[in-house]
Amino acid sequence: EAGVAQSPRYKIIEKRQSVAFWCNPISGHATLYWYQQILGQGPKLLIQFQNNGVVDDSQLPKDRFSAERLKGVDSTLKIQPAKLEDSAVYLCASSLLSPAGGLREQYFGPGTRLTVT
Amino acid sequence: GESVGLHLPTLSVQEGDNSIINCAYSNSASDYFIWYKQESGKGPQFIIDIRSNMDKRQGQRVTVLLNKTVKHLSLQIAATQPGDSAVYFCAEKASGGSYIPTFGRGTSLIVHP
Repeated sequence: EAGVAQSPRYKIIEKRQSVAFWCNPISGHATLYWYQQILGQGPKLLIQFQNNGVVDDSQLPKDRFSAERLKGVDSTLKIQPAKLEDSAVYLCASSLLSPAGGLREQYFGPGTRLTVT
Repeated sequence: GESVGLHLPTLSVQEGDNSIINCAYSNSASDYFIWYKQESGKGPQFIIDIRSNMDKRQGQRVTVLLNKTVKHLSLQIAATQPGDSAVYFCAEKASGGSYIPTFGRGTSLIVHP
């Protein structure tokens, strides 16, 4: 079974530029997550999708971050404009449909390492 | 092996020893806990989970212990191998409508051959 795919693996940009990350979840996984992992810390959820709808985006800095999953499969996460503090690894994860109040096992992609200079 | 809290981010052990990684969680309403392993350059990988109605769960070479009284979780790895070297995160999920696990800071496990 193919895992969660992410691209690019690495990206270096200057502050105030924009950047986009792409994620292709495991086939059949209805739930997709984007996490930000700053060096030395655990992943922090940015947004969760269930099919093409947003379940939780309470920790997404909406003034600069946006995400979409238009057809309920692939997803993109965009940052515009980037700040120095956005330097982190951006992880995408997917899981089967979560039951109400429950959690299904998440499968993570390798992440995109973003460096903002 | 040695036991350390997450305030000491690195645990070094010899190959073959048992490792114990500890985690203190803060939310008494958490009802589900997960341990993840993250190798360099990779995303976290699920190791084992435990629900709050249990105090122990065993997997292959790993055991998770949960002490709800003191809000403490531990991961025991038997006969640690060099391939176990990674950062280990505990994550908790609050009961109710939230599907989202909250990750702790992580502990780096270094296994010396």
